[in-house]
Amino acid sequence: QTVVTQEPSLTVSPGGTVTLTCASSTGAVTSGYYPNWFQQKPGQAPRALIYTTSNKHSWTPARFSGSLLGGKAALTLSGVQPEDEAEYYCLLYYNGAWVFGGGTKLTVL
Amino acid sequence: QVQLVQSGSELKKPGASVKVSCKASGYTFTNYAMNWVRQAPGQGLEWMGYISTKSGNPTYAQGFTGRFVFSLDTSVSTAYLQISSLEAEDTAVYYCARDCTSCHFGYWGQGTLVTVSS
Repeated sequence: QTVVTQEPSLTVSPGGTVTLTCASSTGAVTSGYYPNWFQQKPGQAPRALIYTTSNKHSWTPARFSGSLLGGKAALTLSGVQPEDEAEYYCLLYYNGAWVFGGGTKLTVL
Repeated sequence: QVQLVQSGSELKKPGASVKVSCKASGYTFTNYAMNWVRQAPGQGLEWMGYISTKSGNPTYAQGFTGRFVFSLDTSVSTAYLQISSLEAEDTAVYYCARDCTSCHFGYWGQGTLVTVSS
């Protein structure tokens, strides 16, 4: 069974920069896994942020960026705002099936 | 604008069935596939599968075969998720999520809480 692994939790100071990563149990993550990133705040539906590694939706704030880093998909937040405190999920594609990571709880403190 | 509006919360007894709806507006319904995602209380997101809104052909993820059925009514731009023989473990929020032209899961419904309890 394919497992997608994210950091369980991260803490960042307001105005700081933080990178969340997304690893695959099958090996290095490439653009062929169509990495997606989502933000979810308590009691809300997930919101799409990044698709296919680094593409932003029209509503994605400029401070969010996606990339591949050291064999993993990565989401970087630069100039973190208090409202960025949330759970972040990555999503990878495996031959007809999508698998979500377990999520990273980002605390802004 | 694109909107996905899901049906309201449901409380069901074990063994019963439930049908969750996801009504789309703001775009041509048959242009984009619809995914279904489950989130158990306090847990992460789990992809259940998707349905092609062009052909009506469903694809189910591992673990979501048998009791789970995706369907459509294109005349009212609505996708459905039906779960039969409900178990306590089916208690979760269920989301529909629409693909985009070059992306997946771009638009989400607000979620439907299904609670299974005797």
